[in-house]
Amino acid sequence: KQEVTQIPAALSVPEGENLVLNCSFTDSAIYNLQWFRQDPGKGLTSLLLIQSSQREQTSGRLNASLDKSSGRSTLYIAASQPGDSATFLCAVKRYSGAGSYQLTFGKGTKLSVIP
Amino acid sequence: NAGVMQNPRHLVRRRGQEARLRCSPMKGHSHVYWYRQLPEEGLKFMVYLQKENIIDESGMPKERFSAEFPKEGPSILRIQQVVRGDSAAYFCASSPGTAPGNTIYFGEGSWLTVV
Repeated sequence: KQEVTQIPAALSVPEGENLVLNCSFTDSAIYNLQWFRQDPGKGLTSLLLIQSSQREQTSGRLNASLDKSSGRSTLYIAASQPGDSATFLCAVKRYSGAGSYQLTFGKGTKLSVIP
Repeated sequence: NAGVMQNPRHLVRRRGQEARLRCSPMKGHSHVYWYRQLPEEGLKFMVYLQKENIIDESGMPKERFSAEFPKEGPSILRIQQVVRGDSAAYFCASSPGTAPGNTIYFGEGSWLTVV
């Protein structure tokens, strides 16, 4: 059974700092890994997707890395802004049999960027 | 291209009533997923459907819950005889296929409150 853990559960940083969010998963047989952002009372916004054959992906101030063999991914946020305050979720996609693919989510890291 | 559309956004039901949640996937997407987010917990997979077919319902409670994705119209998640423990946010997601590079896009969610 795939389990996804995100550390820390909450993080508070001053504006302008660079920060790293961590995600670990127990089963390295993943299809891909996706990072999402969730604002309170809202849906999920996809930030980055890393395929299992890739090592990293970048979008603007965000960089995500994937080390499949060790079961780890990191999301690096450069020059944090108050607008980055949200919960960041990591999800791994795996083949669960009979033509089915499932996303398994971590519980998220709640980020607060202090002006 | 509109995103994944869910309605209603908020729904209040009394214990024993039925709740129907609707999801229209993004244009061109034929794969639909339903996830549930309970307070203080991560998102949990419920069911994966393609047009007219349930591919994987391993995350769906065996009783009172059902899902469909008809040839025409939105996907429906139906909860019969709701109980207080069904209070949660229900998220629908869609993708164009299952290839590793296919991003899964989420809707804004339907918040069910059972009183």
